Amino acid sequence: GQQVMQIPQYQHVQEGEDFTTYCNSSTTLSNIQWYKQRPGGHPVFLIQLVKSGEVKKQKRLTFQFGEAKKNSSLHITATQTTDVGTYFCASAGGTSYGKLTFGQGTILTVHP
Amino acid sequence: GAGVSQSPRYKVAKRGQDVALRCDPISGHVSLFWYQQALGQGPEFLTYFQNEAQLDKSGLPSDRFFAERPEGSVSTLKIQRTQQEDSAVYLCASSRFNTEAFFGQGTRLTVV
Repeated sequence: GQQVMQIPQYQHVQEGEDFTTYCNSSTTLSNIQWYKQRPGGHPVFLIQLVKSGEVKKQKRLTFQFGEAKKNSSLHITATQTTDVGTYFCASAGGTSYGKLTFGQGTILTVHP
Repeated sequence: GAGVSQSPRYKVAKRGQDVALRCDPISGHVSLFWYQQALGQGPEFLTYFQNEAQLDKSGLPSDRFFAERPEGSVSTLKIQRTQQEDSAVYLCASSRFNTEAFFGQGTRLTVV
């Protein structure tokens, strides 16, 4: 089945520093979704990217989808303590109903 | 309701006991998914319903796992003869159709 690999597994930053997590697949992805899961919480949808080379921004968050649609990244500028959590990429893999295959996630810790 | 509701939030079961986990999706959402999330891992797909039809159960780990959604709304995931390796958070998600998934808070199952 389709797999998405996500790195790094952990990232510790000082508040105000930037953060980036990367998602890679050996096969072409039809789309990529990003979710955030706070400690003890459930995954919350952030965004979906569909087009090759697509870039979307949400305030301090920038999401990119690679030209070959095999990789994606999430970049957070000037992290805040509220950014703490696990960030997952997930792909629907081209299925007709949106079954998601998740990456392993990147656990972000922000030190004040 | 406003979101996906799961019950119970926590369940402790003795090994060999049967358990039933309930999911109330967002009203009007056609698609319903069950995922299993082990500690420190991303959610892994278990099964998918479109209305009352179970269209994909390829992720169910064994025949001890059974899911139903008889009226196309509430769904129940049943695990028979629970084993320690079944300990995980079970997440339910619903969506309109191939769009963003809305996750419930999950049920944390601990088998002792």
